[in-house]
Amino acid sequence: GENVEQHPSTLSVQEGDSAVIKCTYSDSASNYFPWYKQELGKGPQLIIDIRSNVGEKKDQRIAVTLNKTAKHFSLHITETQPEDSAVYFCAAKGRNYGQNFVFGPGTRLSVLP
Amino acid sequence: GAVVSQHPSWVICKSGTSVKIECRSLDFQATTMFWYRQFPKQSLMLMATSNEGSKATYEQGVEKDKFLINHASLTLSTLTVTSAHPEDSSFYICSAAPASGGTDTQYFGPGTRLTVL
Repeated sequence: GENVEQHPSTLSVQEGDSAVIKCTYSDSASNYFPWYKQELGKGPQLIIDIRSNVGEKKDQRIAVTLNKTAKHFSLHITETQPEDSAVYFCAAKGRNYGQNFVFGPGTRLSVLP
Repeated sequence: GAVVSQHPSWVICKSGTSVKIECRSLDFQATTMFWYRQFPKQSLMLMATSNEGSKATYEQGVEKDKFLINHASLTLSTLTVTSAHPEDSSFYICSAAPASGGTDTQYFGPGTRLTVL
């Protein structure tokens, strides 16, 4: 089955700096890779996603890159703000019907003012 | 749009009692709903997948007789934790996949924190 690793587990950055979180996956058949932000005591919120036919996707300060050959994808947050502080989860999903998300262990991002 | 609610947001119960958690898609119909469990500072673990009108599919290691899932309509799924014990204390999160979008797109509820005394 699919296995998703995520690094780092914790990340502290100064406000205005960039943050990068990297995930690797094991199943080359996975073709959908969402990123979720989870604030304390709340459910995950989708912030960006990418499919295997695309190498990069950007939405304002957030971007995701995918390297299918190396089986890794990364979340990039630029110009970080204190409200970006949260736990971020990556996930991978296969294309076959019935395959579900496999989540990474999460990264706790702290943006220091 | 695409709002998923859960009720209750938190619940405390005594050991041996049963607790029901509701998951509702407020502004869309969800053919498929998912139930996850999250322990403190850990990732989400899928417990089961439920499709409207059919039996839920449980992940390996999840006791179907303990975690009863009902998906009676396209906007409501319920998870009942039967004979709850302290080790069942956790954060339970549901997600819903719109009927029109396959299961890649999932909208998550805000979660329910269960504490079993």
